Amino acid sequence: SQELEQSPQSLIVQEGKNLTINCTSSKTLYGLYWYKQKYGEGLIFLMMLQKGGEEKSHEKITAKLDEKKQQSSLHITASQPSHAGIYLCGAPSSGGSNYKLTFGKGTLLTVNP
Amino acid sequence: DSGVTQTPKHLITATGQRVTLRCSPRSGDLSVYWYQQSLDQGLQFLIQYYNGEERAKGNILERFSAQQFPDLHSELNLSSLELGDSALYFCASSVRSLAGSYEQYFGPGTRLTVT
Repeated sequence: SQELEQSPQSLIVQEGKNLTINCTSSKTLYGLYWYKQKYGEGLIFLMMLQKGGEEKSHEKITAKLDEKKQQSSLHITASQPSHAGIYLCGAPSSGGSNYKLTFGKGTLLTVNP
Repeated sequence: DSGVTQTPKHLITATGQRVTLRCSPRSGDLSVYWYQQSLDQGLQFLIQYYNGEERAKGNILERFSAQQFPDLHSELNLSSLELGDSALYFCASSVRSLAGSYEQYFGPGTRLTVT
């Protein structure tokens, strides 16, 4: 079965700093979802990458998909306390209509003011 | 607000009992997914329904069952509850975008505590 490994597991940065979170799959990636979660709350959809080399941005968050490396990276520019939370990557199990997602364990981001 | 609603928000019950969790997908979304999130297992896919039909199953226990009704809302039934079933249960819904992808939007979750 597919496994997603996220690194780092946790990250503490000073407000204004840039940071990167990585998500590496054990199998072929048919797409990659990024979500943000506040502890104990629902997942907020950030973006979904479908094709190798694809890059998407939402406000100060940019995500890229490298199909060859079976990896995605999430980059936050000039971090703010509002960026704090748990970032989860999820991947569909196949490229067909079955889009059940397998998730990584998450990266806990703390942004100190 | 994702547009996916779940009730109840919190549920506390005893071992051996049965509970029903309810989910209403976003307007127009035909697929509903159920996930379980616990500290030790992380976020795990349980089951998917599409327009009333079961589409995919994950690591769902036999004590758990789900269904999707004609109005597209879904219910997850958990029976013979054990302490280890305590977790956050999420529902998500999706619709195919013009680009051909399926963006899944999650509800706020139901926190189940089994005592």
